[in-house]
Amino acid sequence: KAGVTQTPRYLIKTRGQQVTLSCSPISGHRSVSWYQQTPGQGLQFLFEYFSETQRNKGNFPGRFSGRQFSNSRSEMNVSTLELGDSALYLCASSLGNSRETEAFFGQGTRLTVV
Amino acid sequence: TQLLEQSPQFLSIQEGENLTVYCNSSSVFSSLQWYRQEPGEGPVLLVTVVTGGEVKKLKRLTFQFGDARKDSSLHITAAQPGDTGLYLCAGVGSGTYKYIFGTGTRLKVLA
Repeated sequence: KAGVTQTPRYLIKTRGQQVTLSCSPISGHRSVSWYQQTPGQGLQFLFEYFSETQRNKGNFPGRFSGRQFSNSRSEMNVSTLELGDSALYLCASSLGNSRETEAFFGQGTRLTVV
Repeated sequence: TQLLEQSPQFLSIQEGENLTVYCNSSSVFSSLQWYRQEPGEGPVLLVTVVTGGEVKKLKRLTFQFGDARKDSSLHITAAQPGDTGLYLCAGVGSGTYKYIFGTGTRLKVLA
């Protein structure tokens, strides 16, 4: 079956702009989580959506937001981009109905803010 | 706050050597996963361990879950350059569905 698909793969934006990233989970998976990965900070949890509701949230400013649609696809939005937002943004999908569920990652979106 | 500490942080070894990576926490996890990530790509799931004391083998990789389900280890036998990458352990935090990732071990295997 198809894996997790993230679009676009690469993105270059200017400071102050906003950006929207998309994630299509594995068919049947209802949970989508977003992570920011930078060389210095590692993998940092942004938020998790399950059945169109935000179920968990990390410690990121309000400029980072997300949503999930009825087909489980998710989008992440970052407004007023800063240079420090340059990172690999990863989404992971899982069944989300058990605490033993496994997460499967997309290839990520590499965002560069200039 | 639940944390997963990995050690070592960096490891550079010659092809054919053995190595062990550790993932430790003071908290109990219902399961732990191990991932490998290559530059510019998303992490790829290697294995899930669920039962305390469980040992799983994946070719030259051996994964173990501690008896108390607070720690795990990954042992690679006769490492190859293709094993190079970032190794991450992860578990679901107690009382949440949020994945907690370890700090990562960056492995480089030299030919």
